[in-house]
Amino acid sequence: DVKVTQSSRYLVKRTGEKVFLECVQDMDHENMFWYRQDPGLGLRLIYFSYDVKMKEKGDIPEGYSVSREKKERFSLILESASTNQTSMYLCASSLPNSGRWYYEQYFGPGTRLTVT
Amino acid sequence: TQLLEQSPQFLSIQEGENLTVYCNSSSVFSSLQWYRQEPGEGPVLLVTVVTGGEVKKLKRLTFQFGDARKDSSLHITAAQPGDTGLYLCGLSNSGYALNFGKGTSLLVTP
Repeated sequence: DVKVTQSSRYLVKRTGEKVFLECVQDMDHENMFWYRQDPGLGLRLIYFSYDVKMKEKGDIPEGYSVSREKKERFSLILESASTNQTSMYLCASSLPNSGRWYYEQYFGPGTRLTVT
Repeated sequence: TQLLEQSPQFLSIQEGENLTVYCNSSSVFSSLQWYRQEPGEGPVLLVTVVTGGEVKKLKRLTFQFGDARKDSSLHITAAQPGDTGLYLCGLSNSGYALNFGKGTSLLVTP
């Protein structure tokens, strides 16, 4: 079974703090993703990475950065946390099918971040 | 950006009832995944549909991909409290990322 783990299930941080969210997958997947999930807004893509040291902005990258130094690990960084970044953060990794024309994503359990 | 609409937004039913939820796109797509997310957890992949008209069954869940490849449905027979959760559809158009709908929140009461 694919396993995607996230470093914390719950996190409480103060405004202005630098926050690191870690994600590890154990299936050698090429692609990794960070989403945030908010009521009424659904899943929104923050950043994704298709290879080590490669990253692409998603729909809402402002206020976030990412790091992928090893294939299995993808980190999300909140440079200076703000209250509007209180949310559920979900990491995912994906594998293409044998023809490489569609991808299935596998999610971690999520990190509920509260910024006070 | 391809728009993806899921309906209904909320559904509350009693154990034993049948239900159908829908996922509609503004344009044709190549494949679609259905996920279920339980409260406080990450989404779990249920199925991928790739062929127009395709029907897949997963126990009491039946997934259908529209002939025109712009819509999909999920039908649950004899719903149980364990089916409670948020049902998400995500579509892929040969890119790395999926585009997700906002989901249907299902509550099944005993």
